[in-house]
Amino acid sequence: DIVLTQSPVLAVSLGQRATISCRASQSVSISSINLMHWYQQKPGQQPKLLIYRASNLASGIPARFSGSGSGTDFTLTIDPVQADDIAAYYCQQSRESLNTFGAGTKLELK
Amino acid sequence: EVQLQESGPGLVKPSQSLSLTCSVTGYSITSNYWGWIRKFPGNKMEWMGYISYSGSTSYNPSLKSRISITRDTSKNQFFLQLNSVTTEDTATYYCARYRSADYFDYWGQGVMVTVSS
Repeated sequence: DIVLTQSPVLAVSLGQRATISCRASQSVSISSINLMHWYQQKPGQQPKLLIYRASNLASGIPARFSGSGSGTDFTLTIDPVQADDIAAYYCQQSRESLNTFGAGTKLELK
Repeated sequence: EVQLQESGPGLVKPSQSLSLTCSVTGYSITSNYWGWIRKFPGNKMEWMGYISYSGSTSYNPSLKSRISITRDTSKNQFFLQLNSVTTEDTATYYCARYRSADYFDYWGQGVMVTVSS
C-alpha cells in the first residue's frame, strides 16, 4: 500500500501563507499525470474536493488554494489564509487501485 | 447539481451486517464510478471500494471477504453491505462520486454507524 504522510498540525496567522505537505512512500505519478488529490473537511461536514491531480482547482474553489508537486512530494498552498479555511486537509492518491488517504493536517490559528 | 445522501441504521450489533443506501440525484449512476469511504473516530480515512457505470466492482483487499457494493439503476441508488461487523467498523460512512475512478468530487453528508451490543 502507498502510505501518505502529513504533518498533524500547522499553525498559521490570518492573511499569511499556509503550506501543507503530503509525502508518498512511492511515486504516485504516471508520466506527467500526478495522481494526488486534496480535500478540506470541517467538523460535522463531508470532505470537499479542493485540488485534483496535484494542481487542478476543483469547481467553485477560490483561487487562493493551489497545489503542486510530482513523484512523492506534494504541497497544498493557501494564500492568503482566511478564517473560513480553518479545517482539516487530507491528501488522497489514486496511483494504485487501492487508494489511500493521508492522516490529515489540522490547520490552526496562531 | 449532483447530490448524494446516505441512509441506514446508526447502530449495528457485532457479527451482524451493516447495510447502507446512497441515493443520487442530478446524475445517473449508469455513468462514472461511485464509491464508499469511511472515516474512523481517530480521523483515519479508508477507501472501501466502488461500483462502476457498468456494475463492475472493486474492493479494498482488507475488506474483500466482507464487503459488497451493489446498485439499483431504476432508483438511482447504490448500496454498501459489510458483513460480520466488529467494533472496529464503527465509523462515519460516506458515499461519493468517484470521478473516472480517480478522485471524489461529490460527497454525501455521511452517516455515523456504531457497532455495539
